[in-house]
Amino acid sequence: DVKVTQSSRYLVKRTGEKVFLECVQDMDHENMFWYRQDPGLGLRLIYFSYDVKMKEKGDIPEGYSVSREKKERFSLILESASTNQTSMYLCASRSEGENEKLFFGSGTQLSVL
Amino acid sequence: LAKTTQPISMDSYEGQEVNITCSHNNIATNDYITWYQQFPSQGPRFIIQGYKTKVTNEVASLFIPADRKSSTLSLPRVSLSDTAVYYCLYLRLTGGGNKLTFGTGTQLKVEL
Repeated sequence: DVKVTQSSRYLVKRTGEKVFLECVQDMDHENMFWYRQDPGLGLRLIYFSYDVKMKEKGDIPEGYSVSREKKERFSLILESASTNQTSMYLCASRSEGENEKLFFGSGTQLSVL
Repeated sequence: LAKTTQPISMDSYEGQEVNITCSHNNIATNDYITWYQQFPSQGPRFIIQGYKTKVTNEVASLFIPADRKSSTLSLPRVSLSDTAVYYCLYLRLTGGGNKLTFGTGTQLKVEL
């Protein structure tokens, strides 16, 4: 089975801090995604990457950046955390071919105080 | 934007069949329709995917009419453990560089 691992299950940070959320997948997938999930809003796409060093903005990229230096790792960066970035963050990688599907990590619940 | 529309919530009882419909009016020829299930405190997981007509697996069935502007996820004889949020989305199986956008999902609540 594909494994997508997010480095932290819970994080508490202060306003203005730089925050790194790490995600690693073990299936050599080219495509990786970062979503945030808030009550009543479903999953919203922040950024995605389709290859090493390649990235594209999702629907809500403001206040975030990403890094994909190695194929297996996709990092989400909050340059200066704000309280409105308190959320559940979900990373996913995508298999390709006939049975293409997304595999999600367990999520990181980030609280910005 | 690959936007889908689903009911916000549905209620059911154990043993009943549940049908959740999703509309995707601007689906393109190359797009497949995919459904995911999410339990609290977990990431979504894949349930089923199809292009047209009917697809069935051990978990659910997916019905897609000829115009493909909607799809219906059918869960036969639900149990309490099927209480979850269900998302539909459509994606293009043409390789990388594709945004995968989820809607707000349908909260299914199954009771005794």
